[in-house]
Amino acid sequence: KAGVTQTPRYLIKTRGQQVTLSCSPISGHRSVSWYQQTPGQGLQFLFEYFSETQRNKGNFPGRFSGRQFSNSRSEMNVSTLELGDSALYLCASSLGSALQETQYFGPGTRLLVL
Amino acid sequence: DAKTTQPPSMDCAEGRAANLPCNHSTISGNEYVYWYRQIHSQGPQYIIHGLKNNETNEMASLIITEDRKSSTLILPHATLRDTAVYYCIVNDYKLSFGAGTTVTVRA
Repeated sequence: KAGVTQTPRYLIKTRGQQVTLSCSPISGHRSVSWYQQTPGQGLQFLFEYFSETQRNKGNFPGRFSGRQFSNSRSEMNVSTLELGDSALYLCASSLGSALQETQYFGPGTRLLVL
Repeated sequence: DAKTTQPPSMDCAEGRAANLPCNHSTISGNEYVYWYRQIHSQGPQYIIHGLKNNETNEMASLIITEDRKSSTLILPHATLRDTAVYYCIVNDYKLSFGAGTTVTVRA
């Protein structure tokens, strides 16, 4: 079974732009969670989507948003990019709720904001 | 906020067992302990998880104390490819990664 895939793998943007990242979960998985990883803050939870609904949200500003489609694929959008948004963005999928099921991570999208 | 405490680093000789400790004294009765590892800039890799009983899979063993306040991940025969940052996490829907333990396996 194929693992979690994320596209693109690398991305360079400039301040003020917006970006959309994509995550395809493991087949049959219904939950997708997003995380941001930076050297200073480590790995931080952004949000979780389950059956197209956002179930949980971390402490990030409203510039960070996401959505999930009926096929469980998920996108994350960051508007008005700031230099501090440079990070590795990871998504993880789980069969059911992230609270009850093991989360499996994708390879990540490395975003550089100039 | 991470609910776990791990030593920042440890070395291990190739072929020997690596025992990674983790304290999670505030764990709730229905929270699982998960272990992941991350090899430089890759996505975290799931290793094993448990609730109360000891668990074993093809990668590792997990020993959880009876009071559930601490656990130990055991890599039975460490190889150079096991060099990574290992995270012990209490799952409350979001995985709160702390700093983890940087494990260096030496030949």
